[in-house]
This record gives sequence, structure tokens and C-alpha cells, in this order.
Amino acid sequence: GQNIDQPTEMTATEGAIVQINCTYQTSGFNGLFWYQQHAGEAPTFLSYNVLDGLEEKGRFSSFLSRSKGYSYLLLKELQMKDSASYLCALRYNFNKFYFGSGTKLNVKP
Amino acid sequence: DTEVTQTPKHLVMGMTNKKSLKCEQHMGHRAMYWYKQKAKKPPELMFVYSYEKLSINESVPSRFSPECPNSSLLNLHLHALQPEDSALYLCASSRGVAVPNTGELFFGEGSRLTVL
Repeated sequence: GQNIDQPTEMTATEGAIVQINCTYQTSGFNGLFWYQQHAGEAPTFLSYNVLDGLEEKGRFSSFLSRSKGYSYLLLKELQMKDSASYLCALRYNFNKFYFGSGTKLNVKP
Repeated sequence: DTEVTQTPKHLVMGMTNKKSLKCEQHMGHRAMYWYKQKAKKPPELMFVYSYEKLSINESVPSRFSPECPNSSLLNLHLHALQPEDSALYLCASSRGVAVPNTGELFFGEGSRLTVL
């Protein structure tokens, strides 16, 4: 595997901010992607990083540090509908995606 | 049309059966993928077709046979499967490399396969 690690499960409160981390022990990838997957549904694209730094997209932001081997997804103003699994994925050669273990986020009222 | 359509949604088959999973997209994407996902696990890459040619086979057993009849269609032929092959099979597509783009995957809803 690609040794992509994520926390298994997290819980946060509606309206709060949560950071989901993704660490990896690999190199040579050309993009790091974040996907959301609700139970029983297909993953949907949220955000991606090619270069180091922060990419903001509405309530979702993603950060990448290649030198430190990690990324995070930041979710602001949490809503109940954000309860889902969040997957980070590394892309190689533009069409080879490997997914991390996924983080199940529980949003409580 | 921004959808990837997979059929059937559910399939139950015996170990001696031959069946096929189908995937279709009309977004003009030139890369198509098969992923396998077991419960509470991330999707695992199986095959990638790029411009209708098989470009990646992640050492998948030969009882799984992919086919890409044209740029819009992707099939996965199944024969002599084992119970441990029961999983959700996800098809995905992406634009391909000829045109600069984000390159993200668009997933279908999957075909849930049960092998008895």
C-alpha cells in the first residue's frame, strides 16, 4: 500500500470547526485529493492540492505540506449533513489514485 | 450530464456463474476506473483504462476481466468468483490528461456484489 493514514473516527458539534488529518510515507504523487462518502453512497470530490499550502472552497479547505508528509481537511460551520466518511487520496501519473483508510466524522447537535 | 451510471445496483451470483457489471458516462471523460470497496474500508484500485486502453492492472485475479468497448462504456466481467469477492464495485471516470483540469474522479453509485 501507500501508507496513507487517517484517524478512524472523530466527533464534533454542529457549528464547530473540525480538522481531519492525513499523513503519508510516500513521494512522487502529483496531487492530494479529499473525498466525502456518505454511508451507502459513492465518494464525491471535495478539494485537492497540487502545491503546498491552503486551498479554500467555501466551508471546506485543504492544506498540504509535502516536506512534512501531511495534509488536512478543514470543515467550518459544521452541519449535521457533514456526518460522513472523509477520504484522502494520492494521485500518481494523473490517473492512479490511492485512498487512505478514511475518517468517519460524527456531527452531533 | 455529470453522472456515472452503473448497472446492476445489486447482484447475487454463485461461484460458477458468469456475470458482468456495466458502467457508462457521457461527460467525454477519457479515463475510466474500477475500484473495489469492502465495508468500512477505502476503495481499492483494480483497473484503469486511459483512452480506451488498459493502462493499469493492480494485480487483480484473472476471474475479473475488464473491457472498454468505447470511450463511454466500461464493463467488468466476472467468472468463478469467491465469497471473499463480495464487495461494492465502484466505477469512476476522469477527464484524462490531454486537457488541463483538476483531474478528480467522478464515481458511480456502485454495484453491490454478493457471491454465494
